[in-house]
Amino acid sequence: ILNVEQSPQSLHVQEGDSTNFTCSFPSSNFYALHWYRWETAKSPEALFVMTLNGDEKKKGRISATLNTKEGYSYLYIKGSQPEDSATYLCACYGGSQGNLIFGKGTKLSVKP
Amino acid sequence: DSGVTQTPKHLITATGQRVTLRCSPRSGDLSVYWYQQSLDQGLQFLIQYYNGEERAKGNILERFSAQQFPDLHSELNLSSLELGDSALYFCASNDGRVGTGELFFGEGSRLTVL
Repeated sequence: ILNVEQSPQSLHVQEGDSTNFTCSFPSSNFYALHWYRWETAKSPEALFVMTLNGDEKKKGRISATLNTKEGYSYLYIKGSQPEDSATYLCACYGGSQGNLIFGKGTKLSVKP
Repeated sequence: DSGVTQTPKHLITATGQRVTLRCSPRSGDLSVYWYQQSLDQGLQFLIQYYNGEERAKGNILERFSAQQFPDLHSELNLSSLELGDSALYFCASNDGRVGTGELFFGEGSRLTVL
């Protein structure tokens, strides 16, 4: 069974700090890696979908990298703002699962 | 607004009962996914439909069933409810691209079983 792990579970940073978190997944039979942002009382929204080893994507102050050979992806937030506070989910499509498997998320809190 | 509509938003019922959750996908999307989010658990994949046909199945209990209708809306039926079925149930849709199509989530249906 494909297992997607995210670390840390939670993170508290000050406004202006840059931060990053990790998503680990089995490297065999990898197909695609998704990142979603989930704000409290809202529904998850897609940030990135990545497929190629070495891929790097950026949206404003948020960027992500992908290493399919070693089975990890990093999400970076530069100069965190209070509005970045959310749970960041990664999800992997691969193996024989035939569906998108989510990690438990990293909960980011940014203090003003 | 993702364009995915889920009803009801909240539902409180008793053990042993049956409920139906409804999802209307984003306009143009052919694929619907159902996920369950329980306390301290991540989003657990239940089932996926594409254009009316079941495409993938996760750890969906036998007491649960789903279908996608010709107009592409989907329903998740939960029967013989137990306390442990209390959770937030999300529906998501996409264009059906295998693996690479980003999901658009509804606001969820929160089920409480007493």
